[in-house]
Amino acid sequence: GQNIDQPTEMTATEGAIVQINCTYQTSGFNGLFWYQQHAGEAPTFLSYNVLDGLEEKGRFSSFLSRSKGYSYLLLKELQMKDSASYLCAVRDSNYQLIWGAGTKLIIKP
Amino acid sequence: IAGITQAPTSQILAAGRRMTLRCTQDMRHNAMYWYRQDLGLGLRLIHYSNTAGTTGKGEVPDGYSVSRANTDDFPLTLASAVPSQTSVYFCASSEQGDQETQYFGPGTRLLVL
Repeated sequence: GQNIDQPTEMTATEGAIVQINCTYQTSGFNGLFWYQQHAGEAPTFLSYNVLDGLEEKGRFSSFLSRSKGYSYLLLKELQMKDSASYLCAVRDSNYQLIWGAGTKLIIKP
Repeated sequence: IAGITQAPTSQILAAGRRMTLRCTQDMRHNAMYWYRQDLGLGLRLIHYSNTAGTTGKGEVPDGYSVSRANTDDFPLTLASAVPSQTSVYFCASSEQGDQETQYFGPGTRLLVL
């Protein structure tokens, strides 16, 4: 079967750095996405990786290792507004997105 | 409007009733999707459409139907609602290309009693 694993919940301090991991086992790989979802709202796109390595976008970076079936999302200089769930999704060989259950990130002052 | 709209925002429905959730996008995206999101689970694909006039089944299609008469609209129908269909429903769309990022509507919160 296909599987995406992420930690259920993480806590971090305002101004700090946090890394959210995602491991996947899917039938094929055609890209990995990270989305942010605030409580009661829709998921919004954060980043996309299809080749190995690090993609940086301001305070957010995403890393991919296809050989290890592993990605992480790195959030720097955490702000209270970063409190949200972070969803990892992999596009499989059928070009469908397989979603993880999400990691709820709690930021404390 | 810009983006994707969904209606209604929320709904309480008696079991056995028929319900259509509406989704409209103005980005001229070819592909559209319906997901349900339940606590502790990832988004699960119900149905999708790669282009107007075509539809396909996702991971959890039973009890749901869709149509895609034009590019902009992609309604989801529950023919006879059951309590297990209580969920948050998200519509999404994407344009064809290498990345095909999906963009989501605000969601419909459905409670079936």
